[in-house]
Amino acid sequence: DAGITQSPRHKVTETGTPVTLRCHQTENHRYMYWYRQDPGHGLRLIHYSYGVKDTDKGEVSDGYSVSRSKTEDFLLTLESATSSQTSVYFCAISVTREGTGELFFGEGSRLTVL
Amino acid sequence: TQLLEQSPQFLSIQEGENLTVYCNSSSVFSSLQWYRQEPGEGPVLLVTVVTGGEVKKLKRLTFQFGDARKDSSLHITAAQPGDTGLYLCAGARTGANNLFFGTGTRLTVIP
Repeated sequence: DAGITQSPRHKVTETGTPVTLRCHQTENHRYMYWYRQDPGHGLRLIHYSYGVKDTDKGEVSDGYSVSRSKTEDFLLTLESATSSQTSVYFCAISVTREGTGELFFGEGSRLTVL
Repeated sequence: TQLLEQSPQFLSIQEGENLTVYCNSSSVFSSLQWYRQEPGEGPVLLVTVVTGGEVKKLKRLTFQFGDARKDSSLHITAAQPGDTGLYLCAGARTGANNLFFGTGTRLTVIP
């Protein structure tokens, strides 16, 4: 158990409202990731972090921003949610020094944008 | 277009049957991982293959990495209902700090 928790686990919101999802790890791993999961697409990377205040974009970063002010917390923000951002969001950590080792995932946050 | 394409996208079989899931790309990967995901949970790592042509076995599951390190397969022998889930391949590319996930194969094993 890599000690990852996501919050909230479920959220329903309206188009145009801001949303923040939180990922918290209890260990000191360097790499943290936010993915979204949609049918037929597997997991697609939104943003990732390789240290405090060090972040980079993934393949589907438009409309999302992230912040990492502490090693243990990685926040994903939708500034103005749209219906196309309805999805299940997963946070993951890499337990190896590089970012391409085994990933441990949180339980997911299901977001519905009406 | 995703870097890794999996086939089939859906597979429904009877208990006891064999099956193969494919993970294909035109890109070369330094390593490839397979994950299984059950409903309401995050994916869990099954195996990592790192050498072209490598074969790894995990009980009734056999994983193979292509010789050119562009593709991989997962073969399940005598499938059981407990094998039901979403199978995801994920590749690591030299110089990248993240994994690239495949499109997924949803397997249902009917008792």
